[in-house]
Amino acid sequence: KAGVTQTPRYLIKTRGQQVTLSCSPISGHRSVSWYQQTPGQGLQFLFEYFSETQRNKGNFPGRFSGRQFSNSRSEMNVSTLELGDSALYLCASSPVGGAEKAFFGQGTRLTVV
Amino acid sequence: AQKITQTQPGMFVQEKEAVTLDCTYDTSDQSYGLFWYKQPSSGEMIFLIYQGSYDEQNATEGRYSLNFQKARKSANLVISASQLGDSAMYFCAMREGSNDYKLSFGAGTTVTVRA
Repeated sequence: KAGVTQTPRYLIKTRGQQVTLSCSPISGHRSVSWYQQTPGQGLQFLFEYFSETQRNKGNFPGRFSGRQFSNSRSEMNVSTLELGDSALYLCASSPVGGAEKAFFGQGTRLTVV
Repeated sequence: AQKITQTQPGMFVQEKEAVTLDCTYDTSDQSYGLFWYKQPSSGEMIFLIYQGSYDEQNATEGRYSLNFQKARKSANLVISASQLGDSAMYFCAMREGSNDYKLSFGAGTTVTVRA
């Protein structure tokens, strides 16, 4: 069974640009959560999608958005990039009724210059 | 207030010895789950072990065991027979409620295994 796949693995963007990151969950999993990891703030929850609906949202500005498709793949978008958005972005997938399971992808390392 | 507290920023352990990583949590929910993850330098977050709040027995997964003390709100990870490949960052995390899939993470503990 394939794990959680995140693309791309590495990304370099310029301030002011926008970026889209992709996450394909484990087959059969319908919940996808996104996290931002920085040295200063640690791991912070961005949002969670389930069956194409955002169920939960963290404390991030509106520049951070996401969506989920009918095949459970999810994308997150960051507009008007700032230097402070440089981070490792991780997504986790969980099955229906499987709150005890949360498997992560390898992450996308975003650098904003 | 911090939901997850990991008080050990870094630890050294000798190969083949056991190491205990501390984790305390704060929640008013009766139903919650506690996770431990390993993050090597590559960045991937690897699931190690899970303990549900209603689980009466401590969880074990191979060389990993979770010392769950509910009254003290602690969920310490024990790694037995440490290997060089265990050198990594370790995170404790919590889910609160039965349907909330959001994870709250601690600051992590860096473990370095010495030969």
